[in-house]
Amino acid sequence: ETGVTQTPRHLVMGMTNKKSLKCEQHLGHNAMYWYKQSAKKPLELMFVYSLEERVENNSVPSRFSPECPNSSHLFLHLHTLQPEDSALYLCASSPDPPGAAGELFFGEGSRLTVL
Amino acid sequence: GQNIDQPTEMTATEGAIVQINCTYQTSGFNGLFWYQQHAGEAPTFLSYNVLDGLEEKGRFSSFLSRSKGYSYLLLKELQMKDSASYLCASMDSNYQLIWGAGTKLIIKP
Repeated sequence: ETGVTQTPRHLVMGMTNKKSLKCEQHLGHNAMYWYKQSAKKPLELMFVYSLEERVENNSVPSRFSPECPNSSHLFLHLHTLQPEDSALYLCASSPDPPGAAGELFFGEGSRLTVL
Repeated sequence: GQNIDQPTEMTATEGAIVQINCTYQTSGFNGLFWYQQHAGEAPTFLSYNVLDGLEEKGRFSSFLSRSKGYSYLLLKELQMKDSASYLCASMDSNYQLIWGAGTKLIIKP
């Protein structure tokens, strides 16, 4: 139990579906992150939020849309995805603001399969 | 470009010692992280090195040489539960984490 909870753990969707991934952290952290993890590839940073404001968007396609309604919750809205978007999506939080050399606390991830 | 290299997979025997190497090339340097990730689980923080030398935490130690752009994670007295992927990440001058693809460590009895 890392204090970061992601739901759903597994998701299968068609290319025309709309779905959302949810992340909740119970650690009182102010920074939250979305990462994409594909097999045998490095973690790819997608989005960073600090105090509910997006501070980084690493050229992610618009079919991925993040939302951070408060410092404890982070969503990733998905629509018209492609099969190559199939991956493990990891949420993380940190007590330090982005730009500090701090530890990340990860959730267990949402395994997404796009058919 | 920025790059992290680490072996894809390693095998070791229970009770033995294993060293997982990581070389990095980043624009500037603000520290080197190691994370452990068991299959189907969250990555968890193991260590952070920003100065040269060896840092020991129980059975795990992490080493850094900034002049060589090199780090290693040393695991002693291996246990079956150490079977996992080990992720190396370097923090560049903009405090961005540059990740390696991870090393899958298989422990055999």
